[in-house]
Amino acid sequence: QSALTQPASVSGSPGQSITISCTGTSSDIGASNYVSWYQQHPGKAPKLLIFDVSNRPSGVSDRFSGSKSGNTASLTISGLQAEDESDYYCSSYRSSSSLVVFGGGTKLTVL
Amino acid sequence: EMRLVESGGGLVQAGGSLRLSCAASGLTFVDYAMTWVRQVPGKGLQWVSSISGGGISTYYADFVKGRFTISRDNSKNTLYLEMNSLRGDDTGAYYCAKPLAIAGHSYYYYGMDVWGRGTAVTVSS
Repeated sequence: QSALTQPASVSGSPGQSITISCTGTSSDIGASNYVSWYQQHPGKAPKLLIFDVSNRPSGVSDRFSGSKSGNTASLTISGLQAEDESDYYCSSYRSSSSLVVFGGGTKLTVL
Repeated sequence: EMRLVESGGGLVQAGGSLRLSCAASGLTFVDYAMTWVRQVPGKGLQWVSSISGGGISTYYADFVKGRFTISRDNSKNTLYLEMNSLRGDDTGAYYCAKPLAIAGHSYYYYGMDVWGRGTAVTVSS
């Protein structure tokens, strides 16, 4: 069982927007601005999409956005494209124990 | 271009040991904390261990504490993970990753923007 809880799967049609949630506790997401999101295509290494809750590294499309409310972080993908079909993972710093924790991952299907 | 290349994975019996390496290029290695992340087949990502840029501070997930040791040789731009008392649930792909540097600082809990391709570890019982 992963430390952070994500839905196993989400789906959407091209052009639509979807949101993936990531629920933790007051010890990790609720207490941390160090929340990140990663995209991982099959057989590939993860790619950083969002860091520090809502910041995008250079080169990442502005269709990807992040936010946080309480113990839940969210990744929103707008204008869905076929190439967005992938697995998505959230992570957070858990300062109380100096650990980094990941969510179980969400498989996005573009219909 | 920043590049990380893992090596050292393989097949080992339960109770055995392996040493993973991660060779870094295209970056000033000592300026960055470094991390090992693993992925169990068909499952999600798990943070395993991190080390500060100077190698003084180390951090471990509870499930590897006392069995795995992270280290680095900044003169060789190489990160290591010594894995002992291996168990079946240690099987997976092991990635090394570099966290972002923000305002000149790189802490292990920052988002990881450079990843290697991974090296596979299989523990047989």
